[in-house]
Amino acid sequence: ILNVEQSPQSLHVQEGDSTNFTCSFPSSNFYALHWYRWETAKSPEALFVMTLNGDEKKKGRISATLNTKEGYSYLYIKGSQPEDSATYLCAFCEAGNNRKLIWGLGTSLAVNP
Amino acid sequence: DAGVIQSPRHEVTEMGQEVTLRCKPISGHNSLFWYRQTMMRGLELLIYFNNNVPIDDSGMPEDRFSAKMPNASFSTLKIQPSEPRDSAVYFCASTSGGRAAYEQYFGPGTRLTVT
Repeated sequence: ILNVEQSPQSLHVQEGDSTNFTCSFPSSNFYALHWYRWETAKSPEALFVMTLNGDEKKKGRISATLNTKEGYSYLYIKGSQPEDSATYLCAFCEAGNNRKLIWGLGTSLAVNP
Repeated sequence: DAGVIQSPRHEVTEMGQEVTLRCKPISGHNSLFWYRQTMMRGLELLIYFNNNVPIDDSGMPEDRFSAKMPNASFSTLKIQPSEPRDSAVYFCASTSGGRAAYEQYFGPGTRLTVT
């Protein structure tokens, strides 16, 4: 059974703090790793899709790195703002089945003003 | 583009009733996914279609659940008979097959309550 784990489960930070969370996934048969942002009462929205070991992606203050050999990805938020409060989900695509995503349970981030 | 459209947005029904959830994917997308979201288990893939053909339905809980995609612009998820444990938010998502890795676009979800 493929397992995707995210840590921490929840996080509270102050406005202006930088933070990061981890996604662990199987290191064999890797195809892609997705990060999504899910605000309360809305739908998940894609942040990044990464396919190559060593990939680094950035969107504004949010960035992500990928290590496929050891099976982890980090998501970083620099200078957190209250509007960054959301659940951040990662999802793993296995080679040969690259439309099916295996989802983690997410990291819930709350940024206090 | 209107994005992925789901209806209804909210459904309250009594145990034993049939429930039909509807989804219109983004035009041009050739893969469609049905997910169920609960607090305990997060996002669970129920079934997905590629070019209107069901590819993986291993996540469908039991025979009470069925899904169809009669054409590229419409899919349904049916629960018959519904049970209280089916209460959840059901999301539909679509993606295009033209890229090497496929980010998924989610609809607004249908919140189902079975009493």
